[in-house]
Amino acid sequence: QSALTQPASVSGSPGQSIAISCTGTSSDVGGYNYVSWYQQHPGKAPKLMIYDVSNRPSGVSNRFSGSKSGNTASLTISGLQAEDEAAYYCSSYSSSSTDVVFGGGTKLTVL
Amino acid sequence: QVQLQESGPGLVKPSQTLSLTCTVSGGSISRGGHYWSWIRQHPGKGLEWIGYIFYSGSTYYNPSLQSRVTISVDTSKNQFSLKVTSVTAADTAVYYCAKNEGRRWFDPWGQGTLVTVSS
Repeated sequence: QSALTQPASVSGSPGQSIAISCTGTSSDVGGYNYVSWYQQHPGKAPKLMIYDVSNRPSGVSNRFSGSKSGNTASLTISGLQAEDEAAYYCSSYSSSSTDVVFGGGTKLTVL
Repeated sequence: QVQLQESGPGLVKPSQTLSLTCTVSGGSISRGGHYWSWIRQHPGKGLEWIGYIFYSGSTYYNPSLQSRVTISVDTSKNQFSLKVTSVTAADTAVYYCAKNEGRRWFDPWGQGTLVTVSS
């Protein structure tokens, strides 16, 4: 069981917007603005999409955005494209016994 | 542009030690602020943080693996390494190395290397 809770799957049609939630505790998501999001296509390494809750690395489309409210962070993808179909993982710094916690991952299907 | 590349045996026998090396190119491993990390992914599963090492040698491990894991750094070779002792089939996974910024995010990642534990 992962420390952060994500929905197993989400889906949307091209052009639509979807949001993926990531729920933790006050020891991780809620306590620090150190949430990051990763995109992983099958057989590929994860790619950083969002860091520090809402910051986009250079080269990442502005269709990807992040936010946080309390113990839940969210990744929103607007204007869905076929290439967005992938697994998405959230991660956070944690002040508990383990420094880093990951979510279980969310499979995004573009219909 | 920093790049990372994992290397090591793809097959390890049960009870033996898994050893992997990550070679860093395009930047110095000694540069401050970075934590050099190992993360694994069991087949068809999610990501599991194994641990990381600061360039000075300070290490941080996942408590669930701490008794079997050692991460070390060789600044002269710009490499860092992972050792997992007493492996079982449950250690079969794709192992990634990654640079962690200030214990906040992982970027970039290596391409990953599949390690299978089997006799």
